Amino acid sequence: GAGVSQSPRYKVTKRGQDVALRCDPISGHVSLYWYRQALGQGPEFLTYFNYEAQQDKSGLPNDRFSAERPEGSISTLTIQRTEQRDSAMYRCASSLLAGGGTDTQYFGPGTRLTVL
Amino acid sequence: AQTVTQSQPEMSVQEAETVTLSCTYDTSESNYYLFWYKQPPSRQMILVIRQEAYKQQNATENRFSVNFQKAAKSFSLKISDSQLGDTAMYFCALGLNYGGSQGNLIFGKGTKLSVKP
Repeated sequence: GAGVSQSPRYKVTKRGQDVALRCDPISGHVSLYWYRQALGQGPEFLTYFNYEAQQDKSGLPNDRFSAERPEGSISTLTIQRTEQRDSAMYRCASSLLAGGGTDTQYFGPGTRLTVL
Repeated sequence: AQTVTQSQPEMSVQEAETVTLSCTYDTSESNYYLFWYKQPPSRQMILVIRQEAYKQQNATENRFSVNFQKAAKSFSLKISDSQLGDTAMYFCALGLNYGGSQGNLIFGKGTKLSVKP
């Protein structure tokens, strides 16, 4: 079946604007994760959901970042009042089970966010 | 705190030869998994191989195999018969099911592998 999809693939915005990044996980996958990846670095955890419940948001850098998954499928990561330091690749992943980090996570293509 | 260290920022190998990428990790948990992901120039993240910590047998996937040394907390990736398509950034990752970081993967900084013709 289809893999994890993310939209938009590229987003350029001006400092101070709000952005919403969308993730559509593999059908039937229980868990959904958001990561942020700076150039030349490995992905860093932001938050994750089991079904519609946000299980861990300890990686969100500050209260300008929020995420939701209201129906246990598609998720949206919202960044309010964007700053230049928010520029990065934002990756979504999903896994079949609610097994935390021990279940294989399948990644989407990412959204490259550039804040001018 | 859990950490993953990849000490080789860049490596190169001739086509058809074998290369080994290093990874060490630190965790006090007993229930964990280890992963290698590949990120080609397209910047997709592709799972290469996974290893369950409770299994003694090293995982193998075609030309990719791991050398898992649990006591030494080492998890190296061996690529045999290297192909040009193996050129990519390789990330080692640790996944936990318990403790303070339940759910997420902890990634190393990556090793950039270049396969030369």
